[in-house]
Amino acid sequence: GQQVMQIPQYQHVQEGEDFTTYCNSSTTLSNIQWYKQRPGGHPVFLIQLVKSGEVKKQKRLTFQFGEAKKNSSLHITATQTTDVGTYFCAGSDSGSARQLTFGSGTQLTVLP
Amino acid sequence: DTGVSQNPRHKITKRGQNVTFRCDPISEHNRLYWYRQTLGQGPEFLTYFQNEAQLEKSRLLSDRFSAERPKGSFSTLEIQRTEQGDSAMYLCASSYSGGAHYGYTFGSGTRLTVV
Repeated sequence: GQQVMQIPQYQHVQEGEDFTTYCNSSTTLSNIQWYKQRPGGHPVFLIQLVKSGEVKKQKRLTFQFGEAKKNSSLHITATQTTDVGTYFCAGSDSGSARQLTFGSGTQLTVLP
Repeated sequence: DTGVSQNPRHKITKRGQNVTFRCDPISEHNRLYWYRQTLGQGPEFLTYFQNEAQLEKSRLLSDRFSAERPKGSFSTLEIQRTEQGDSAMYLCASSYSGGAHYGYTFGSGTRLTVV
């Protein structure tokens, strides 16, 4: 079955440093989504990428979808304490994201 | 709309007992999903409904698990003869198939502890 792997598992950064998490799928994806889960909270949808090589930005967050549609990354510039949480990628190999396979997440800690 | 609502928030049960959880999705959303999450892991897919039809079910899902979505509105997830390995956070999510994106809106989850 489809597997989605994410690295690193944990990342500690000083406030103001950059952060990147990487996501790799065992199969070609139709689309990939990113979610953020705050400690004690539930996953919250951030963005969806659909096109090969697509890059999207949300303020300090930059999301990329690989050319082969098998990998993705999330980069945060100048982290803030509000960025703390676990970031999950989730991929679907069907066009309508009926079933998402989630990665194991990258837990980000931002030290003030 | 207040988002996806799940009840109860917490459930402690003895091994061997049956439990049932409820999910009320966003009313405009036609798709409903159940996921399970354990500590340090990403959500794991359990089952999916489009309207009232259960279209997909994880092959990993034991026959002790059953889900329903009568009339395409709220959904229930029942676990029969609970085992300690069933202890997890059970997340419900909904989405709309006709939107610009297919992002899920998750509920706050039901935390199940089997003792």
